[in-house]
Amino acid sequence: DAGVTQSPTHLIKTRGQQVTLRCSPKSGHDTVSWYQQALGQGPQFIFQYYEEEERQRGNFPDRFSGHQFPNYSSELNVNALLLGDSALYLCASSLRAAGVADTQYFGPGTRLTVL
Amino acid sequence: AQSVTQPDIHITVSEGASLELRCNYSYGATPYLFWYVQSPGQGLQLLLKYFSGDTLVQGIKGFEAEFKRSQSSFNLRKPSVHWSDAAEYFCAVGAYGGATNKLIFGTGTLLAVQP
Repeated sequence: DAGVTQSPTHLIKTRGQQVTLRCSPKSGHDTVSWYQQALGQGPQFIFQYYEEEERQRGNFPDRFSGHQFPNYSSELNVNALLLGDSALYLCASSLRAAGVADTQYFGPGTRLTVL
Repeated sequence: AQSVTQPDIHITVSEGASLELRCNYSYGATPYLFWYVQSPGQGLQLLLKYFSGDTLVQGIKGFEAEFKRSQSSFNLRKPSVHWSDAAEYFCAVGAYGGATNKLIFGTGTLLAVQP
């Protein structure tokens, strides 16, 4: 049973550039959430996608956007990168039909460094 | 506002000793609580979760946690720690809002295990 996968593993960008991160959910899952984990901090919720639409969003600027594809995979895009965007970006998948018993399973993350 | 507090940033225990990691939450409704573990450079692995019912929940790797509503706590315990338990541990509350959910994490507790 394939778990959540993310690509790339590591990424180095310079300020002002744009980046795209990718996530494939666990088999059978239809909902993808993205989290940002800064060094020494807990993960912070960015947004969540279900049925190819953004369903809920955390306190992140519009520079952060996403997309979900018909096969449930997802992309996170960050425009106009800032030094403060350097972090581990985690993708989590879950099953919407589980309702309140929903459990999120995380991928290994993408380490983004902005120089 | 919903929040999770992990008062201990760093804990060191000897191998074979017992362990208790503290977690306090603030949430207006019935909380859905989780403990995740993160090894260096890795994503988050679910240890255990509490949705309802028995307040003592068992997880993987010999961990357990007890939900105490009166104290707004969900402390993680293990009777005998192994060197491989060295990692960072995150407590989270699931904030369910209608059709969507998100996890709110604490800042984590870094566990070191002495031989």
